[in-house]
Amino acid sequence: DTGVSQDPRHKITKRGQNVTFRCDPISEHNRLYWYRQTLGQGPEFLTYFQNEAQLEKSRLLSDRFSAERPKGSFSTLEIQRTEQGDSAMYLCASSLAFSIGPVETQYFGPGTRLLVL
Amino acid sequence: TQLLEQSPQFLSIQEGENLTVYCNSSSVFSSLQWYRQEPGEGPVLLVTVVTGGEVKKLKRLTFQFGDARKDSSLHITAAQPGDTGLYLCAGETGANNLFFGTGTRLTVIP
Repeated sequence: DTGVSQDPRHKITKRGQNVTFRCDPISEHNRLYWYRQTLGQGPEFLTYFQNEAQLEKSRLLSDRFSAERPKGSFSTLEIQRTEQGDSAMYLCASSLAFSIGPVETQYFGPGTRLLVL
Repeated sequence: TQLLEQSPQFLSIQEGENLTVYCNSSSVFSSLQWYRQEPGEGPVLLVTVVTGGEVKKLKRLTFQFGDARKDSSLHITAAQPGDTGLYLCAGETGANNLFFGTGTRLTVIP
């Protein structure tokens, strides 16, 4: 199956450490999104890419967060100097812009659950 | 800030009962999507509604978009244990990202 995949699925780290997550979108999807979901809440938008260009960033994305999509395929999300408040599920989604229909559908990956001790 | 409020937040019902989940906002959305999310997994799209007043049916699930495109509802008929999960509505403003509601956690007891 060529759905959205994320790696790792779980990450436990100590406060102050850096972590990096990877997302592989559905092949040929040109848009890639990152969301953060805390316990008991819906996902919150962080940023998105169209091909390799990062087109929008939420105010939630502090300067400790950086995302890249160097070749317009997979993406990485890095968190530097992690804090306990960063503990959450980090979700990736991809979509095909300009597909037929009024609204593009975002397909979500299984997420990476981060716990900062 | 677009805010989508869902009610109820938690719902526990017996198998075979009917239920309705509501998604309300003061903002107008170009479309509204409903997702179901299971523990440890990402959300899975159930339906997208685009036109004010639109009603879509997916087997035992009926989705309605409000006339003013500010609210939506999800009705499940004869709920089954397999319907258990977190139901999320998400509004799109045309700015290429989704604003998710707070979610309704449904448990269907056999």
